[in-house]
Amino acid sequence: GQQLNQSPQSMFIQEGEDVSMNCTSSSIFNTWLWYKQDPGEGPVLLIALYKAGELTSNGRLTAQFGITRKDSFLNISASIPSDVGIYFCAGTTSGTYKYIFGTGTRLKVLA
Amino acid sequence: DGGITQSPKYLFRKEGQNVTLSCEQNLNHDAMYWYRQDPGQGLRLIYYSQIVNDFQKGDIAEGYSVSREKKESFPLTVTSAQKNPTAFYLCASSYSRQGRGTEAFFGQGTRLTVV
Repeated sequence: GQQLNQSPQSMFIQEGEDVSMNCTSSSIFNTWLWYKQDPGEGPVLLIALYKAGELTSNGRLTAQFGITRKDSFLNISASIPSDVGIYFCAGTTSGTYKYIFGTGTRLKVLA
Repeated sequence: DGGITQSPKYLFRKEGQNVTLSCEQNLNHDAMYWYRQDPGQGLRLIYYSQIVNDFQKGDIAEGYSVSREKKESFPLTVTSAQKNPTAFYLCASSYSRQGRGTEAFFGQGTRLTVV
């Protein structure tokens, strides 16, 4: 099945650093969602994007819907230890409500 | 509070047994989904349903079965035909249309272990 490419696959960063990750697709997307999953838990929705070029923030998190509609970006500013987890992107293409998920970016924060 | 409830949190199964995972939502969502997640991996779609009494196979449906007799409920049965059932199973729901307010929400997951 189709999956989105997320980059990087994993990253180690120092506490206080900013983090950037992205998600790309070969198809045009109408919706982009970003989730965070803690170990042993279900993914929790962080940010939803519905319009090309849209920039939305949720606390220290900022996500953007790419102008080409084939990519999205998530930035975390001033990372803290509880930012550790797996970040997933997801989206829908035209004509379907079914979400396609990215492969995930595993974030580890070094105190 | 509205949400999605999966039960049980942990489940152990003997080889050759069928086992059913529960998923209930009170968000009035039309669509429900089951995903499988293996260690260090992403989410793979098993089955999804848009309306009651209708469901579609996802990417890895072999060895699984579902039912959708009620809008709120979408149980998943892991049959003995599933060769490698040990995994983390996630249920999700959403509205079956596009646009604002149609995000997918997840349950807490069920970790199934074959012993």
